[in-house]
Amino acid sequence: AQTVTQSQPEMSVQEAETVTLSCTYDTSENNYYLFWYKQPPSRQMILVIRQEAYKQQNATENRFSVNFQKAAKSFSLKISDSQLGDTAMYFCAFGTGANSKLTFGKGITLSVRP
Amino acid sequence: DVKVTQSSRYLVKRTGEKVFLECVQDMDHENMFWYRQDPGLGLRLIYFSYDVKMKEKGDIPEGYSVSREKKERFSLILESASTNQTSMYLCASSLSDRAWYIQYFGAGTRLSVL
Repeated sequence: AQTVTQSQPEMSVQEAETVTLSCTYDTSENNYYLFWYKQPPSRQMILVIRQEAYKQQNATENRFSVNFQKAAKSFSLKISDSQLGDTAMYFCAFGTGANSKLTFGKGITLSVRP
Repeated sequence: DVKVTQSSRYLVKRTGEKVFLECVQDMDHENMFWYRQDPGLGLRLIYFSYDVKMKEKGDIPEGYSVSREKKERFSLILESASTNQTSMYLCASSLSDRAWYIQYFGAGTRLSVL
């Protein structure tokens, strides 16, 4: 069974600064997908970024980028130029197998301070 | 844009009541999911469905059942609500193309069982 670990329950960052959210996972699979989802306060969960395990290049979406270390089974999210709207809970997720089930981490609450 | 609609944002029920949580998606997705979200526990999969009338148990199916009579609608049923089922419930849907595993979420239903 796959597990996803987000060890930091909370983080705080000053507006305009850079923050990195950590995620590790455990799997014996070779082909899989990794995601970061964002859940703003009282709003629905949305996809931030995704990474295919067979791609060596780290995914980037505007201010969001990942550091994917396959051997270390690590998948961290870097948010550059943090904005107040980045305040949210962030979930790391892992997907593999014959259906599109995802395994989620416990999430991290990120607060961006003005 | 994909739209996943959950029928209620907030629901208050009494212990022992039969509770229906409804979810509708408008993108002809094959897969639909019900999660439970609790502080410190992240998202836990209750049930998922990969086709009409097809369902599989997730990680925490006890005390719940589901119904999928039409492709666009996936219902979560609490046969006899208990106080330990007070939680946030999230519905999600995805295409059967497993290449991306991207799930689209509804806004959630916060259920309180008194």
